[in-house]
Amino acid sequence: DAKTTQPPSMDCAEGRAANLPCNHSTISGNEYVYWYRQIHSQGPQYIIHGLKNNETNEMASLIITEDRKSSTLILPHATLRDTAVYYCIVRVLPGGGADGLTFGKGTHLIIQP
Amino acid sequence: DAGVIQSPRHEVTEMGQEVTLRCKPISGHDYLFWYRQTMMRGLELLIYFNNNVPIDDSGMPEDRFSAKMPNASFSTLKIQPSEPRDSAVYFCASSWGTSISSYNEQFFGPGTRLTVL
Repeated sequence: DAKTTQPPSMDCAEGRAANLPCNHSTISGNEYVYWYRQIHSQGPQYIIHGLKNNETNEMASLIITEDRKSSTLILPHATLRDTAVYYCIVRVLPGGGADGLTFGKGTHLIIQP
Repeated sequence: DAGVIQSPRHEVTEMGQEVTLRCKPISGHDYLFWYRQTMMRGLELLIYFNNNVPIDDSGMPEDRFSAKMPNASFSTLKIQPSEPRDSAVYFCASSWGTSISSYNEQFFGPGTRLTVL
């Protein structure tokens, strides 16, 4: 799996958009970008994933640069409940099966009231 | 569905004792994963099963750790004998298998916080 680099921590004001960057300069053509988050004292939770096109769901948007060497997770209107550690994971889509996730250190996002 | 269920939520034991952690995956999921989280090492995969069969146990730290999945609705992670360095939060997760074109997320349980004195 390609290595990812994320800032250790970020602050964001409540109600503003939170933009979390992730660098993955060694990503391969068949590797996807996945995002999970872990709220304090809970298990990780899936947010979104993408290959090369921008993706949006009810939780967030994922913007992947054209060269795919970096991406940004966007929480459009951050709330206090979005305070969590956000993990960017790069891996091949395990078509026809599944495999374990490799978590890095992630970004601790703190939403300020 | 109640989600992934883990028990106990907290376990305190003394060094040398046997510890058994339990997990009930989401009904219908055919993959089950065990992870461990510590401050030093972060979240790491220990083992995972497909249709009750262990597929990859390369993350199991040593022979003191063993995991079983006797049926589709139950799995155990056992540590015997336990040591203080085993203190961690242990998470169980489950998912459906992923197809070529779609991703099926992993659903995590609330975790078991293990303290070995």
